[in-house]
Formats: sequence, C-alpha cells, structure tokens
Amino acid sequence: EVQLVETGGGLVQPGKSLKLTCATSGFTFSNAWMHWVRQSPEKQLEWVAQIKAKSNNYATYYAESVKGRFTISRDDSKSSVYLQMNSLKEEDTAIYYCTRGYPGIDWFAYWGQGTLVTVSS
Amino acid sequence: DIVLTQSPALAVSLGQRATISCKTNQNVDYYGNSYMHWYQQKPGQQPKLLIYLASNLASGIPARFSGRGSGTDFTLTIDPVEADDTATYYCQQSRNLPWTFGGGTKLELK
Repeated sequence: EVQLVETGGGLVQPGKSLKLTCATSGFTFSNAWMHWVRQSPEKQLEWVAQIKAKSNNYATYYAESVKGRFTISRDDSKSSVYLQMNSLKEEDTAIYYCTRGYPGIDWFAYWGQGTLVTVSS
Repeated sequence: DIVLTQSPALAVSLGQRATISCKTNQNVDYYGNSYMHWYQQKPGQQPKLLIYLASNLASGIPARFSGRGSGTDFTLTIDPVEADDTATYYCQQSRNLPWTFGGGTKLELK
C-alpha cells in the first residue's frame, strides 16, 4: 500500500523558516517524481515544487511564488522528500500535501494527509 | 501560466446527472493526449484522483464518473449522482509548468 506521511507543520512567525518532511512507503521511491502541493484557507490548490528522480539528475522546479525561498530535496535512502521553507510570508499559510506524480505527465495519483503551516505574528 | 476556470458550485438531485466544466486559456493537448486531470476532495480529506488525461478512469473509481474534452474545454460527468458524491471537484493541467488547478466546483444535492 502506497503511503505518504507529512510532518513538520506548525505555527511560525513571518520571516522565519520551517522544514517539512514526507516519509513514503509502498513503492520504489528512487524512481518517483515527487511534488509538494498546498491548499490555502480559501481552498485553492497550488502546485509548489517538484523533484525528479536520480535518472533525471534530481531536476527541480518551483512555482514563482516560492522560487528563491523554498527548496525541495530528497533522500532516496530514507524514501523521503523535504521542503525547506525560508522567509515565510503570511500568504504561505496553507495545508501542504506531498504527492507522487506520474513521471512525464504529472498527474497526482497519491497524496499524503497534509500538514498545516500557519504563518502569523 | 495556464488558467483553469470552473463554476463555483452545482446543485443536482440524487440519481440525476452532474456535469462539471473546466475551461483553460491555452490548449492543453499534446501529441494526441489532453493533459487534463480531475480530483475529488471531501471535507477534511486530501484530494483523490478521479480521471487522468481527460478521459481515463483512475484505479478504483466507479464507472459513474467519466471525463471528456480536448483543447480548452473539458467536462467531468457523474451519472447517476449518489449522496457520497457531495464534494469539491478540481481540474488540473500538466501541459505546461507551472502545473495549475481550477478553483474547484462544489457539488451539492438539491
């Protein structure tokens, strides 16, 4: 059974940092293309970042709204993907989901349960 | 960015057909495939894939759900609607980065 479990969310002040972790199981993680997708309090879904597999040189891509502030990474030995979030803004407040994308087509068949990040002073 | 537009809400009666639309401001077709996908989200849950590449039913999804369309106009149909189908439905394109979602259509029962 495919499982994705996000941790690391919480309340953080604007300008601070937070690191999310997504631990996975039930599939060959090293071949997977992984993504972070967030959902705002208004329920809008927004793709945040993507990291491809080692065979694709671990290529990464970001939404413009987070480029330069967020970094996606992975550890294939731990079947985990991470999202380092720096210089957080109030508009980054959202539920952050880890998802597995279908390589090359990027639909999201598997989602974690999400972790809530609240940016507020 | 490719913008996806959905109507905010739709009300249908049990047993009737629900048709949810998604329009894009750019063509999402590529080499014979439409890079459009549909998700269902119930309150407090993560989104769930229903349809991929415009018309392909995801694993475990009942045949009451179907998708069609090409280019810039897509529809998700639920026929017949059951009580458990009350949820918000989102479309998503993967033709061009950044991958984008529609604003969601909330399906309610009359």
